[in-house]
Amino acid sequence: GENVEQHPSTLSVQEGDSAVIKCTYSDSASNYFPWYKQELGKRPQLIIDIRSNVGEKKDQRIAVTLNKTAKHFSLHITETQPEDSAVYFCAASESYTGFQKLVFGTGTRLLVSP
Amino acid sequence: NAGVTQTPKFQVLKTGQSMTLQCAQDMNHNSMYWYRQDPGMGLRLIYYSASEGTTDKGEVPNGYNVSRLNKREFSLRLESAAPSQTSVYFCASSKGTANQPQHFGDGTRLSIL
Repeated sequence: GENVEQHPSTLSVQEGDSAVIKCTYSDSASNYFPWYKQELGKRPQLIIDIRSNVGEKKDQRIAVTLNKTAKHFSLHITETQPEDSAVYFCAASESYTGFQKLVFGTGTRLLVSP
Repeated sequence: NAGVTQTPKFQVLKTGQSMTLQCAQDMNHNSMYWYRQDPGMGLRLIYYSASEGTTDKGEVPNGYNVSRLNKREFSLRLESAAPSQTSVYFCASSKGTANQPQHFGDGTRLSIL
């Protein structure tokens, strides 16, 4: 089955710096890669996702890149702000007819200091 | 439009007690999922329902059962709770078509003594 590894487990940056979180996956059949942000005590919320037919996707200060050959994908946050502080999870899945079985990484705790 | 609603938000059980966690979505989604979240381990899939009338095991199904009551509701049952089942449980739903995002509820924090 799919296995997703995520690094680093913690990341501390200064406000305005960039942050990069990296994930690798094992199943070459995986074709959907979402990223979730989870604030303390709250639900995971989707912040961006990418399909396997796309190499890069950007939404304002957030971007995700995908390298299918190397089986890794990364989250890039530019101009970080204190409100970006949270735990970020990557996930991967093979999309079956009608549903996905997401396998999550173990999370990265991002701390943005003012 | 509430999205995904879970009840209860918190629960304390004694070992051996039974409990049903409730989940309902109002987005007309076909697929629903139950996850557990433990410190340092991310979210792990317990059971899922690809569509109304079907359920299947995920990564960690032992000790749990599920019921897809109708299109809106998907419940998770612990028949005989064990301390190892202390966790935060999240329900999620998705449209059920290819590569559509999953939307999560607020979670149920369950402690088993």
